[in-house]
Amino acid sequence: AQKVTQAQTEISVVEKEDVTLDCVYETRDTTYYLFWYKQPPSGELVFLIRRNSFDEQNEISGRYSWNFQKSTSSFNFTITASQVVDSAVYFCALRGLSYDKVIFGPGTSLSVIP
Amino acid sequence: KAGVTQTPRYLIKTRGQQVTLSCSPISGHRSVSWYQQTPGQGLQFLFEYFSETQRNKGNFPGRFSGRQFSNSRSEMNVSTLELGDSALYLCASSIGVGLQETQYFGPGTRLLVL
Repeated sequence: AQKVTQAQTEISVVEKEDVTLDCVYETRDTTYYLFWYKQPPSGELVFLIRRNSFDEQNEISGRYSWNFQKSTSSFNFTITASQVVDSAVYFCALRGLSYDKVIFGPGTSLSVIP
Repeated sequence: KAGVTQTPRYLIKTRGQQVTLSCSPISGHRSVSWYQQTPGQGLQFLFEYFSETQRNKGNFPGRFSGRQFSNSRSEMNVSTLELGDSALYLCASSIGVGLQETQYFGPGTRLLVL
């Protein structure tokens, strides 16, 4: 079975703090893809990153960085020097070869307080 | 390039009615997926279409149906509406249907069933 867990339901940080959003996944597939999406209050999901199961390199994009560790089945997302505009719900998602549907985690609601 | 568009954006219906939602994918994208988002169940996959054929279907009753046209536009229909169908319905498009395909989401249609 495939499953995505985001244990942090809500996180609140003060602006300029760093924050890490956790994502743990379960799959029996050896080939799979992981995604992060951001959902601002407007409702539209915004694609942030895609990572395949064979690429364990960490990635940095501006203030965003991702840490993919197959050994712990985790794909964590860090925002450095958070800003108020980062306030949103963040979803981690998984798509594997055997199931072939995108499975979303429950989301983490991030509030950045000025 | 225009993003994914969904119409209508908001809809109020009463129990027992039926509703049709529309989604126009990004130009050149041939795959369209639909998701239901509710506070209790989160993001749940409804179905995926590619080249006018349904590739995948989620665990929803037969009251939920969809189709895709030759121009890749898609519609989903919900018949005999129930209160529990109140949700944000999100459409996503991608170029193809491989695991690596990134789905780009529209703003959603907020359906309220009274």
